[in-house]
Amino acid sequence: EVQLVESGGGLVQPGGSLRLACAASGFRFSDHYMDWVRQAPGKGLEWVGRIRNKANSYTTEYAASVKGRFTISRDDSKNSLFLQMNSLKTEDTAVYYCVRASYSSSPDFDNWGQGNMVTVSS
Amino acid sequence: DIQMTQSPSSLSASVGDRVTITCRASQGIKNWLAWYQQKPKKAPKSLIYAASSLQSGVPSRFSGSASGTDFTLTISSLQPEDFATYYCQQYNSYPLTFGGGTKVEIK
Repeated sequence: EVQLVESGGGLVQPGGSLRLACAASGFRFSDHYMDWVRQAPGKGLEWVGRIRNKANSYTTEYAASVKGRFTISRDDSKNSLFLQMNSLKTEDTAVYYCVRASYSSSPDFDNWGQGNMVTVSS
Repeated sequence: DIQMTQSPSSLSASVGDRVTITCRASQGIKNWLAWYQQKPKKAPKSLIYAASSLQSGVPSRFSGSASGTDFTLTISSLQPEDFATYYCQQYNSYPLTFGGGTKVEIK
């Protein structure tokens, strides 16, 4: 069974930093692209970014709203995904989901973590 | 960026009804379109990928179709567990984008 378990969320002041982690199990983590998707309270889903697999040089893509502030990384030896969030703004307040992209040439999101709340407030 | 316009934003329906939700892409995305279901306080769940392929374990009352830049999610006979919010998403090009969601409520 695929499992994605996020951790590291909480309350942080504007301008601060936070690092989310996602522990993956039940599948060959190193094969898959991995994504972060967020959802502000009462709002829809927003894609944050993606990291590709080793075969694709671990390259990354980001939404314009987070580019230059957020960094996605992974540790395949520990089946872990990370989201480093710097220069946080109040509008970054959201539930952050760790998402597995399907093993495909054009991958969709086939498995989601339970989500982790990040609150940016003074 | 590709805009995904979902309609309606909400609807009321009864158990057993046939429900149709539409998603329009602002430009061509081939068939790289997925549908997700989200229940309150829960993570989204994948229903359909590549516009019309059912994810493993998803009931056959769910189906998807495509016509150009217009995509449709159909629930053939609404069940109590189907009351939720549904999102479309394009994965043809970056940034990956979602529709605004359709909330399906009990009439």
